[in-house]
Amino acid sequence: ILNVEQSPQSLHVQEGDSTNFTCSFPSSNFYALHWYRWETAKSPEALFVMTLNGDEKKKGRISATLNTKEGYSYLYIKGSQPEDSATYLCALRDVYFGSGTKLNVKP
Amino acid sequence: GAVVSQHPSWVICKSGTSVKIECRSLDFQATTMFWYRQFPKQSLMLMATSNEGSKATYEQGVEKDKFLINHASLTLSTLTVTSAHPEDSSFYICSARDGTGDRETQYFGPGTRLLVL
Repeated sequence: ILNVEQSPQSLHVQEGDSTNFTCSFPSSNFYALHWYRWETAKSPEALFVMTLNGDEKKKGRISATLNTKEGYSYLYIKGSQPEDSATYLCALRDVYFGSGTKLNVKP
Repeated sequence: GAVVSQHPSWVICKSGTSVKIECRSLDFQATTMFWYRQFPKQSLMLMATSNEGSKATYEQGVEKDKFLINHASLTLSTLTVTSAHPEDSSFYICSARDGTGDRETQYFGPGTRLLVL
């Protein structure tokens, strides 16, 4: 079992604030890093798949970066909106999940 | 995107009974499905990989006789919690992969919350 850690555990921001959180993972034998968005009472939704060191992916106001050498990925949300409120999960090799960062955006 | 359904969404049962949870890929075929369990405030833990037409592959520490997995078709995998006990109370969620290579995406069901009294 690979240890994947996410921080912070929870985050409260005001609408319009930009925010970011971290996913840390063992850097050896890296294969792929996945980010998911999980809204309450819904299924986790895939955001990004990142495979190469230095990868940067973007989807609307959400973007992510990857550093496989030091074993971390950042997820950024620009201009947070209330509808961004969710738990954001990262997963190594798409099977070893972090415990998530729960984001709450206040209007 | 593709849709994965799970049934039931929640179940309450007495200790000692068996509970079956179904996971279906509604608009694609999935030769491989995954079963996860999540305890409160913890991460999703992979329990097993369900392979259509063959035996499931269980993660270390997961009892295969306790958690029976059947993947009888390309759209259906079932997880049966046998002789459930209160410590089996948890959130169980399945997923299925669609596509190949860079286009491969994992789609999750909505999960099943199990409470064993």
